[in-house]
Amino acid sequence: QSALTQPASVSGSPGQSITISCTGTSSDVGGYNYVSWYQQHPGKAPKLMIYDVSNRPSGVSSRFSGSKSGNTASLTISGLQAEDEADYYCNSYTSSSTLVFGGGTKLTVL
Amino acid sequence: QLQLQESGPGLVKPSETLSLTCTVSGGSISSTGYYWGWIRQPPGKGLEWIGSIYFSGITYYNPSLKSRLTISVDTSKNQFSLKLSSVTAADTAVYYCARQGTFYYIDVWGEGTTVTVSS
Repeated sequence: QSALTQPASVSGSPGQSITISCTGTSSDVGGYNYVSWYQQHPGKAPKLMIYDVSNRPSGVSSRFSGSKSGNTASLTISGLQAEDEADYYCNSYTSSSTLVFGGGTKLTVL
Repeated sequence: QLQLQESGPGLVKPSETLSLTCTVSGGSISSTGYYWGWIRQPPGKGLEWIGSIYFSGITYYNPSLKSRLTISVDTSKNQFSLKLSSVTAADTAVYYCARQGTFYYIDVWGEGTTVTVSS
């Protein structure tokens, strides 16, 4: 299975909004509403931010939102804060009953 | 609060078998609807899903690792385990154990354990 495609890096200033894309195929992202997003700070375990395309777990800020169109899912962070600087990974269920991650996106808050 | 803790050797020789165990506390590994998985992250690289198991023993494996991989569960000890055979330097990574909610997302992670493959 091939990794989902994410931009290597994105950046934004405090208070701005950014969007991270995650492109797959009809066998993963496009075929199921089972896309999740994870935030990872250096040296730490990943943290679930979005599941089932657009649902936020309890305790995750409403500044984080997810969506999907066709084979591409997106994570949007509004009102950027310094603490949002981290790596972000998307993940999708696949037609082979497996999970596949994206390559990861480094978010820099300027 | 559910917690997961990985344990096992931090150094494995090439061609040998990497073995890790994940101990679940604060909840039962036999809870219906939850799957238990392994994810790894090579140094400076991204996350890779390795595979998952249900408490009944049903397994799901990453096709790229399937020929070398065994995941098992011991409900009496509230543990699940990973065995990866014929390891090479490419298997050097931080290995995380985790809970998959309804399989489709990973909602609880262990802190991770570093495994280095080297002679």
